Amino acid sequence: NAGVMQNPRHLVRRRGQEARLRCSPMKGHSHVYWYRQLPEEGLKFMVYLQKENIIDESGMPKERFSAEFPKEGPSILRIQQVVRGDSAAYFCASSPGSPLHFGNGTRLTVT
Amino acid sequence: GQQVMQIPQYQHVQEGEDFTTYCNSSTTLSNIQWYKQRPGGHPVFLIQLVKSGEVKKQKRLTFQFGEAKKNSSLHITATQTTDVGTYFCAGNSGNTGKLIFGQGTTLQVKP
Repeated sequence: NAGVMQNPRHLVRRRGQEARLRCSPMKGHSHVYWYRQLPEEGLKFMVYLQKENIIDESGMPKERFSAEFPKEGPSILRIQQVVRGDSAAYFCASSPGSPLHFGNGTRLTVT
Repeated sequence: GQQVMQIPQYQHVQEGEDFTTYCNSSTTLSNIQWYKQRPGGHPVFLIQLVKSGEVKKQKRLTFQFGEAKKNSSLHITATQTTDVGTYFCAGNSGNTGKLIFGQGTTLQVKP
């Protein structure tokens, strides 16, 4: 049973470009979470999704950020018009309810 | 909103010494989970505590959940260099499934 798959592992974007981060949950897991981690900091909750539904997006910035978990395919975290402050590690986690199984993360660098 | 706080932020110990990290929530939790993140890695689930006053052990690690279900601790006996990493507590107090992480305690072990 493959674990949570995130790609790409590393992503470099120039300011103003779009970043798309993908997450394939573990087989059988219907819950997906996205967290952001800045260097030397903890994990900040961004959004919690189930198939085709956003359950809780209270941690998502109001602008430029969006997330989806379609019926088919991976969950996508999309950041439009990236700025330097978006540079961070973005972790996806999936679960059948509890606990969370994390992917290896996508390390986004905005130049 | 719900906050989860951990102390200390950093701890340096000599190999063989004990280590404890403390976690406090601003709200009563339905459960508390502990994760470990090695440098450059992703968080890995260690354990979940659900009952008031619960104590669980995993070899040299002892986890406690407070009577009021608002605090928790992780104690490592006789640390080893393999214990190096950041330990996070995480909890939720609502029904949405959103898991809020503490800032983490980073443990360094000197051989």
